[in-house]
Amino acid sequence: SQKIEQNSEALNIQEGKTATLTCNYTNYSPAYLQWYRQDPGRGPVFLLLIRENEKEKRKERLKVTFDTTLKQSLFHITASQPADSATYLCALAANNAGNMLTFGGGTRLMVKP
Amino acid sequence: EAEVAQSPRYKITEKSQAVAFWCDPISGHATLYWYRQILGQGPELLVQFQDESVVDDSQLPKDRFSAERLKGVDSTLKIQPAELGDSAMYLCASSSGQGADYGYTFGSGTRLTVV
Repeated sequence: SQKIEQNSEALNIQEGKTATLTCNYTNYSPAYLQWYRQDPGRGPVFLLLIRENEKEKRKERLKVTFDTTLKQSLFHITASQPADSATYLCALAANNAGNMLTFGGGTRLMVKP
Repeated sequence: EAEVAQSPRYKITEKSQAVAFWCDPISGHATLYWYRQILGQGPELLVQFQDESVVDDSQLPKDRFSAERLKGVDSTLKIQPAELGDSAMYLCASSSGQGADYGYTFGSGTRLTVV
């Protein structure tokens, strides 16, 4: 069966360090992968999109990698700040599913001052 | 900055009652999605519209859920009758193109509690 797995345990890091979140998938042929940020009681906010033929994408302090061989995406936040504390969701659009997004369960990031 | 509007923000309803949620997407966004998110989990797609047409409603429990987007603009999601297991956040999202080449813009959601 198709699965998108993110670490369900919260990631706690110190301010200024780099946070790295993992998204693994099985039985998907993703056309795209996206990352979203979600604050408590709010809807997800789009951060970055990376296509299947791209290895890496950057936006300010954010970096996303996409390894279709390992079936994994890594999401990095450099120089993390307490304001980065939130839940981060990865989402895949499969080639054979009309490119509709399927979300992982999310990983909660806590950045301590 | 343009937003996806959803109402109500919170809804408490009794089991077996009917409930409806409303969504107004970003102007000009042809594609509209309804997702359900149970606390601690990721959003799950219920239905996707392209203009006024349903593109995918395979995960919509059609015995009790219905969705419409009559004029291809705003949309309504209805549950009748509501069950305890329907307690969740109902999220509406829109995008400027069909498919995930475009990031989705989500509303703030409707938090439904069925008692």
